[in-house]
Parts: sequence; C-alpha cells; structure tokens
Amino acid sequence: DAGVIQSPRHEVTEMGQEVTLRCKPISGHDYLFWYRQTMMRGLELLIYFNNNVPIDDSGMPEDRFSAKMPNASFSTLKIQPSEPRDSAVYFCASSLAGAPSNEQFFGPGTRLTVL
Amino acid sequence: AQSVTQLGSHVSVSEGALVLLRCNYSSSVPPYLFWYVQYPNQGLQLLLKYTSAATLVKGINGFEAEFKKSETSFHLTKPSAHMSDAAEYFCAVSELWNQGGKLIFGQGTELSVKP
Repeated sequence: DAGVIQSPRHEVTEMGQEVTLRCKPISGHDYLFWYRQTMMRGLELLIYFNNNVPIDDSGMPEDRFSAKMPNASFSTLKIQPSEPRDSAVYFCASSLAGAPSNEQFFGPGTRLTVL
Repeated sequence: AQSVTQLGSHVSVSEGALVLLRCNYSSSVPPYLFWYVQYPNQGLQLLLKYTSAATLVKGINGFEAEFKKSETSFHLTKPSAHMSDAAEYFCAVSELWNQGGKLIFGQGTELSVKP
C-alpha cells in the first residue's frame, strides 16, 4: 500500500487567497483525521471523519476552515480566506475501526506558508 | 477525559548513552498507548504501541517502552543512542475503542544526540 497521500507537499500563498489541501487515506480505512502542527501549539486535531461523516470538528479554529470527505478515498481541508497565522504543517492520518490498537497512519504533511 | 504529559520538551544525550523519554497519562479506562517519532520535515511514524498484552513493548530501531499502571507511565527507552535517533518523539493515548482511535498527543520531546 502507498500509505496516506497528501498534496501538495508545499504551498505558498498570499493572505486572502483560498487554499485547498488534499488527502487520500489508506484503502479500507474508515477513519480520517486532519491535524495542524505549529511550533507554538504543537500537534492539534482539527477534525475527524468516520465513514465520510464528520464526527468531531471542535478543533477547527474558525469558520474560515472547512473540511469535506465526499468519498472513502478523498478528503479536502479548505481555508478561505487564508491568513499568515494559518502557516503550519497540516497532516492527514487514517485508521481502521475495530483494529486492536487504533493505530493511526500519517501522511507526509503539507507545509503551508501564507504571506 | 484522557490526557498525556511528556516531561521535558527537549532532551540531549551523548551518542552511546541511554535514552529515556518520559510519558505519563491519565485515563479512566484501560488505555492504548503509543510512541510516534517525527524526523525533520517528515510525518509521524509509529515506534511502538501498547495494547494490553505484554507490559514491555519493543519497537523499531531498538526502542522499547514499559507500561506501568501503578505509575500511569509509559516511558520510552533505548540503551544506546545513535545520531540517527535525533528527532521529535510524541507519546499518545487512545480514547475508547469505539471512538475510532482518536488519539490524544503529548506536546512532544525533541531528542538531540551529541557526538
């Protein structure tokens, strides 16, 4: 298996622009998680899905952030409009419900820079 | 609610010395516990996991961790540090299995290895 795939790996944009981050989970996994990592706040869970349905979005910082999972093999995290404080590394992870350990598998991340 | 505390945001050891990274957790139910490693500019990779089997868990790259219920600890050790071990290490606890593996992460410990 190719593992969790994220695109783009790097994104540089200007303040006010829309940014879309993409994630393809491991085939067969039914949970998908979006995290944000910054020096100041560490690793934060933004939102997670089960069977394409959002379960907990309490970590989404504000209404400028939205996430969708239209099918089992694709998810997007959108920021509109983007701000410099959104600069961070965004990780996607997936897991399989019922697996004995609930291990999450992480993608390589998208490094977002908002100028 | 579950939580994780990693003692020491930065640990420095000499090459060949013992590595000890501390993790304490709180949980009202038997936990699943994890150590992840993050190398520079990469995603998180699972080092090892505790799933209520053996209390001493062996992972990749010579790392191991011991689950001590009485101390609510899951410290990570390696007998002899190597330069390639320099990375950030995250301890995590899993919430109830039926919540699909939502992980609660500690703040991370950055390990430096001096020649």
